[in-house]
Amino acid sequence: GENVEQHPSTLSVQEGDSAVIKCTYSDSASNYFPWYKQELGKRPQLIIDIRSNVGEKKDQRIAVTLNKTAKHFSLHITETQPEDSAVYFCAASIVSGGSNYKLTFGKGTLLTVNP
Amino acid sequence: EAQVTQNPRYLITVTGKKLTVTCSQNMNHEYMSWYRQDPGLGLRQIYYSMNVEVTDKGDVPEGYKVSRKEKRNFPLILESPSPNQTSLYFCASSKADWGKQFFGPGTRLTVL
Repeated sequence: GENVEQHPSTLSVQEGDSAVIKCTYSDSASNYFPWYKQELGKRPQLIIDIRSNVGEKKDQRIAVTLNKTAKHFSLHITETQPEDSAVYFCAASIVSGGSNYKLTFGKGTLLTVNP
Repeated sequence: EAQVTQNPRYLITVTGKKLTVTCSQNMNHEYMSWYRQDPGLGLRQIYYSMNVEVTDKGDVPEGYKVSRKEKRNFPLILESPSPNQTSLYFCASSKADWGKQFFGPGTRLTVL
């Protein structure tokens, strides 16, 4: 089955710096890669996703890149703010006919943005 | 308001006492799924359902059952809970639309 590795497990940055979280996946059939943010005591929420036919996607300060050949994808957060502090999860899935099948998550990265 | 609800939110029980955690969504989503979250292990998928009467195992299905008799409901059943099922459980749902999943608020289960 799919295996998703996520690094680093913890990341501490100064406010205004950039943060990068990296994930690798094992199943070359995976074609959908979402990123979720989970604030302390809250539920995970989708922040950005990318499909395998796209190499990069950006939404304001957040971007995701995908390298299908190397089977890795990364989350980039620029101009970090204290409210970006949370646990971030990457995930990989095979989507067929527009619907999810199994979704495998990485173990998460605790991002701390210091004021 | 579009939402995914779970009940109960907190539950303390004893080994072997059958329990059900309910999950309901009001968004007419086809896809529903259950996850458990444990420190250091992230989110792991237990079961998922593509639509009514269609369910399949995730990565950690042992000790759990599910059913999908109605589109809006996807209960998680623990027939004989054990302490290693102590965890935070999340239900999620999505349209058949490239997996933008909406998570419920979570159920914290403790099995003594």
